[in-house]
Formats: sequence, C-alpha cells, structure tokens
Amino acid sequence: DAGVIQSPRHEVTEMGQEVTLRCKPISGHDYLFWYRQTMMRGLELLIYFNNNVPIDDSGMPEDRFSAKMPNASFSTLKIQPSEPRDSAVYFCASSLSTSGYTFGSGTRLTVV
Amino acid sequence: AQSVTQLGSHVSVSEGALVLLRCNYSSSVPPYLFWYVQYPNQGLQLLLKYTTGATLVKGINGFEAEFKKSETSFHLTKPSAHMSDAAEYFCAVSPGGGSNYKLTFGKGTLLTVNP
Repeated sequence: DAGVIQSPRHEVTEMGQEVTLRCKPISGHDYLFWYRQTMMRGLELLIYFNNNVPIDDSGMPEDRFSAKMPNASFSTLKIQPSEPRDSAVYFCASSLSTSGYTFGSGTRLTVV
Repeated sequence: AQSVTQLGSHVSVSEGALVLLRCNYSSSVPPYLFWYVQYPNQGLQLLLKYTTGATLVKGINGFEAEFKKSETSFHLTKPSAHMSDAAEYFCAVSPGGGSNYKLTFGKGTLLTVNP
C-alpha cells in the first residue's frame, strides 16, 4: 500500500489566491482527517469525515476554509482567499476504526 | 472532552541513556492512547497505542509505554537512546470504544540525543 498520499508537497501562493490541497487515503479506511500544524498552535484538527460524510468541522478556522470528500478515495481542502496566517503544514490522515491514524507526508503551504 | 499535556517541550539525553517522555491525559470516558513520532519534514508515524487489555504496550524501535489510570498518565520510555531517536514525539488521546475516533494531540516533545 502506498500509504496516504498528499499533493502538492509544497505550495507557495500569493495572498488572495485560491489554494487546493489534495489527499488520497488508504484504500478501505473509513475515516479521513485534516490537520494543520504550526509552531505556535501545534497540531489542530480542522475537519474529519466518516464514510465520506463530514462529521465534525468545528476546527475549520473560517469560512475561507472548505473541505470535501466526493468519494472514498479522494478529499480536498480549499482555502479561498488565502492569507499569510494560513501558512502551515497541512496533514491528511486516514484510519480504520481504532487502528490509529496513518498520516500523509503533508503539504507545506506558504502564503506571501 | 479530551486533552493531553506533555511535560517538557524539549528533552535532551545522552546516547545510551534512558528516554522518558511524559504524557498526562484528561478524558471523560475510558481513553484510547497513542504515541506518534515525527522526523523532520515528515508526517507522523504511529509508535504504539493502548486501547484495552495489557497496560504496558510495546511499540516500534524499542519504545514502550504504560497506561496508569490512577495517575492519568501514559509515559513513553526507551531503555537506551540511539542517535536515530532524535525527533519530535506526540502523545494523543481519543474516546475509547465509541464511534468517535477524533484524536486530540499534545503539543509535542522534541527529543535531542547527544553523542
């Protein structure tokens, strides 16, 4: 299994631009999570899905953030418009029941 | 609700010395507990987990942790540190036994291993 695949690995964009981060979970996993990691705030859960349905999006910072999971093998996290304070590493993780998460390698987002 | 406190944002040990990384949790229901390791520029990798049963759990790379309910602790140990253990370590908690598998992470402890 190739693990959780995130793209792109790095993204540099200008303030005000739309950014889309992508995630392919491990086949068969029924949970998918989006986390953001910064030095100041550590790991923050943004949103998670169960069987493609959003369960808890209370961590999504603002309306500028949105996430979708159109099918079991793909999810996106979109920021529109982006701001410098959105700069962080964004991780996607998937899991099956209590097996513990498998994380992707992350997308390092820099908004200038 | 769950929360995790990792005591010490930075721990430094000598190669061959005991590694002890502290984690205390708060949970309104019996918890599931996890330790993850993160190497630079990489995602988090599961080291070990406690769900039910034996309270001493063994993980990869010689690490182990003991669930102590009375102390609400899940400290991570390794008898002899290796240079390759230098990384950031995260303790995490989730509600056990239910349908909510949302993990709450601690702030992390950066482990430095000195030669």
